[in-house]
Amino acid sequence: EVQLLESGGDLVQPGGSLRLSCAASGFTLSSHAMSWVRQTPGKGLEWVSAMSGGGASTYYADSVKGRFTISRDTSKSTLYLQMNSLRAEDTAVYYCARYYSSTWYHYFDYWGQGTLVTVSS
Amino acid sequence: DIQMTQSPSSLSASVGDRVTITCRASQDISNYLAWYQQKPGKVPKLLIYAASTLQSGVPSRFSGSGSGTDFTLTISSLQPEDVASYYCQKYNSAPGTFGQGTKVEIK
Repeated sequence: EVQLLESGGDLVQPGGSLRLSCAASGFTLSSHAMSWVRQTPGKGLEWVSAMSGGGASTYYADSVKGRFTISRDTSKSTLYLQMNSLRAEDTAVYYCARYYSSTWYHYFDYWGQGTLVTVSS
Repeated sequence: DIQMTQSPSSLSASVGDRVTITCRASQDISNYLAWYQQKPGKVPKLLIYAASTLQSGVPSRFSGSGSGTDFTLTISSLQPEDVASYYCQKYNSAPGTFGQGTKVEIK
């Protein structure tokens, strides 16, 4: 059974840093592209970042480029999102999502339960 | 980047009504479009991919159509369990932009 379990969400001050983790099970991380998607409370979905199954390609939304870094540890079957220079507008529930294939030219077939990041002083 | 525009942003319909949600892409995305359903307090769930292919286990009252820039999600007979927000997403290239969502309620 495919499972994605996010962790690391917390309350952080503006300008601070946080690292989110997504523990994957039931499949091989390197066989699927993975993504982070966020949702501001009561609002819509925003695609944040993605990594290809091979791990060589990454992509970022303009809103987080230069501040966020996606990475993974295949030995731990875990995807990460390092978030630096956090802003109030980064406050959201962050979801880890699996692409159907090894590239991001597909849809999301599995989602995690999400982890809440709150940026506030 | 390609923008995705959904309409309406919300709707209220009676049980048994036919409901249609529209999604428009700012550029041609062929059929690289998915629809997701998010019930209150829940995680998004894939309904339709490739614009018109129903995901396994999704009730047949849901259908999708369109290609290029204009797409629709139709619920043929609205049920109480269909109360949710619905999002389209394009995936022909990164970023995988979502529409702003349509909230469906029962009248």
